[in-house]
Amino acid sequence: RKEVEQDPGPFNVPEGATVAFNCTYSNSASQSFFWYRQDCRKEPKLLMSVYSSGNEDGRFTAQLNRASQYISLLIRDSKLSDSATYLCVVSSPGGSYIPTFGRGTSLIVHP
Amino acid sequence: DAGVIQSPRHEVTEMGQEVTLRCKPISGHDYLFWYRQTMMRGLELLIYFNNNVPIDDSGMPEDRFSAKMPNASFSTLKIQPSEPRDSAVYFCASSPGTSGSRVQFFGPGTRLTVL
Repeated sequence: RKEVEQDPGPFNVPEGATVAFNCTYSNSASQSFFWYRQDCRKEPKLLMSVYSSGNEDGRFTAQLNRASQYISLLIRDSKLSDSATYLCVVSSPGGSYIPTFGRGTSLIVHP
Repeated sequence: DAGVIQSPRHEVTEMGQEVTLRCKPISGHDYLFWYRQTMMRGLELLIYFNNNVPIDDSGMPEDRFSAKMPNASFSTLKIQPSEPRDSAVYFCASSPGTSGSRVQFFGPGTRLTVL
């Protein structure tokens, strides 16, 4: 089982739609969780950290389910500019907290 | 703040040539990472440094790859000799040393093409 797994997509949604991505991780001792965004031919950039109680940043909501070992990202009212690849990132104490990246989920928002 | 700086941004070379990629991390960051990204394999961690010391190079594909960090503001990734399968985007990233919080800041990447 891969350490961090994501559905590669692409998720193809119309503007204004709500879309959700899940990401599963294999190490139950994982302690830090993040979502990064990567635009085409650009570098990954931090979108948001994921906290145990869940957190929201505008149209974006991240949640953590430790029992089932997955994190999720919900995007409400999708914009054309949300089109990108979303990378799930997990870090574990066994790996000196060095992040492990998922392969990413591609989102395409169309008019 | 300038962010992570990488050079060159693009490199086209012929098989067998030596390639040197350069990175300047964000000032004050204790960790520096080298990644390779391809469509087939995604983002792969090659090596990382803590306070200029290489900590884990298990991701370095083979002896043709080497990395150095002579000081806190500069690192190189060298491929010698290069092969077509090395074609990829190489990212450098840096991170502050806060335990449990390894948020990484990526440079713009070097797009390497080996013919």
